[in-house]
Amino acid sequence: GAGVSQSPSNKVTEKGKDVELRCDPISGHTALYWYRQSLGQGLEFLIYFQGNSAPDKSGLPSDRFSAERTGGSVSTLTIQRTQQEDSAVYLCASSLETGSTEAFFGQGTRLTVV
Amino acid sequence: GENVEQHPSTLSVQEGDSAVIKCTYSDSASNYFPWYKQELGKGPQLIIDIRSNVGEKKDQRIAVTLNKTAKHFSLHITETQPEDSAVYFCAAPLYSGGGADGLTFGKGTHLIIQP
Repeated sequence: GAGVSQSPSNKVTEKGKDVELRCDPISGHTALYWYRQSLGQGLEFLIYFQGNSAPDKSGLPSDRFSAERTGGSVSTLTIQRTQQEDSAVYLCASSLETGSTEAFFGQGTRLTVV
Repeated sequence: GENVEQHPSTLSVQEGDSAVIKCTYSDSASNYFPWYKQELGKGPQLIIDIRSNVGEKKDQRIAVTLNKTAKHFSLHITETQPEDSAVYFCAAPLYSGGGADGLTFGKGTHLIIQP
């Protein structure tokens, strides 16, 4: 595709429900990143994938968060038993490869837990 | 891991004047420093980056300078225009020496261009 695509763009969910956020990276990009941006804050690194593998999951805030990537392309970030503090914009980025190369961001998914 | 501090949090300048945003980092082995611009409702967009083997890089009205000794880097925007109004983030690699990947970001600077 032309850029990184995330869906949905907005999601309102009730506390305790599970949500799944989707990221479609730029075609051919092997590296994929998830970040979280809380209101008025900077970006918090969550996890990255090199191909389908996620070497470091220590950035995930709790065991309610998980992510997977299949076929080296689409990734999903799943939040189980959502809490109000999970409300934020979840941003996905991709780059041609890992390392110090340009990361292209999607427009984000705004998650609101009520 | 790396720690990045950014200031000011808000910067208001007159249209046509220059704007400077500064960041410091903690890991002397960090070697890549991008700057992102984020407009309302959009994802961050890379506007310029610099690697540790150079001290300055320019692209039209924007420039970035890097002082490795002091471990700080700055974004300079000259002849500011209304479309420069946005939130700007500096970043550095989360970890040096390979292995894990990703960026750590400053908390952002809200740049306001006054007409």
